[in-house]
Amino acid sequence: ETGVTQTPRHLVMGMTNKKSLKCEQHLGHNAMYWYKQSAKKPLELMFVYSLEERVENNSVPSRFSPECPNSSHLFLHLHTLQPEDSALYLCASSQDRGLPGELFFGEGSRLTVL
Amino acid sequence: QQPVQSPQAVILREGEDAVINCSSSKALYSVHWYRQKHGEAPVFLMILLKGGEQKGHEKISASFNEKKQQSSLYLTASQLSYSGTYFCGTESAWSGNTPLVFGKGTRLSVIA
Repeated sequence: ETGVTQTPRHLVMGMTNKKSLKCEQHLGHNAMYWYKQSAKKPLELMFVYSLEERVENNSVPSRFSPECPNSSHLFLHLHTLQPEDSALYLCASSQDRGLPGELFFGEGSRLTVL
Repeated sequence: QQPVQSPQAVILREGEDAVINCSSSKALYSVHWYRQKHGEAPVFLMILLKGGEQKGHEKISASFNEKKQQSSLYLTASQLSYSGTYFCGTESAWSGNTPLVFGKGTRLSVIA
C-alpha cells in the first residue's frame, strides 16, 4: 500500500474511445502529478496540480485532459488517442510543490491504444 | 534538460558492489534517487541538496558533487532485493519550484 491508488491498472482502448484514469491519495498531500513512462524513455512530467490548481502543463497534447476536483483526487481524461500514447501513466503526490520533498507514486495505469 | 545516467544496465552477483552515476549540464539544486521494481511504483530512496553532502540508507548511499553537477549512488554488498531500475531526478539550481526531471534509468540485476 503506497498511499496513492490508481485505477484501472490496465486499460485497452481504441483511438476513438473516451476513457479516464483515476488517482487517489490518502496522504494529505497538497500537490499531485501525472507522469508518462514509455519504454526506454525517462519519466516525463505531464501535469502538476498544487492545492487543486494546475501549475504546470508540459506541452501535453489536448487529447489528454486533467481534472483535480479536490486535493485527494486526480483524473486524466483521454480521448482520440494515438498508438504512440500507449505507456504506463503514473500518478504521484508530494507534501508541497515548492519543497524538495519525496514523491509518492502510484503503481500506474498501463494504457494500450489500438 | 534531462540528466544522464550511467551505466544503462548492470548485472551483479550477490555481495558485489555497484556505482550508478547521474550527471547534469545544468547547475543543480537537488538530486533525488528512486528505485522501481518491475510492475511496481517507483519508491523514493533519498534526496541530496547542494552542498556536496553524502547520505546513507542501509547499504545504499549517495553523494552529490556540486562542482561537477554529478551524483553517484553506491550499492554495497548487493542483495537480490536490490534488483530494479534506478532513476535520478534533478532540480535546477535557480528555483526549488521546478519539477523533477528524470534520467532514463539504470537497470540493475542482482543474481545469486
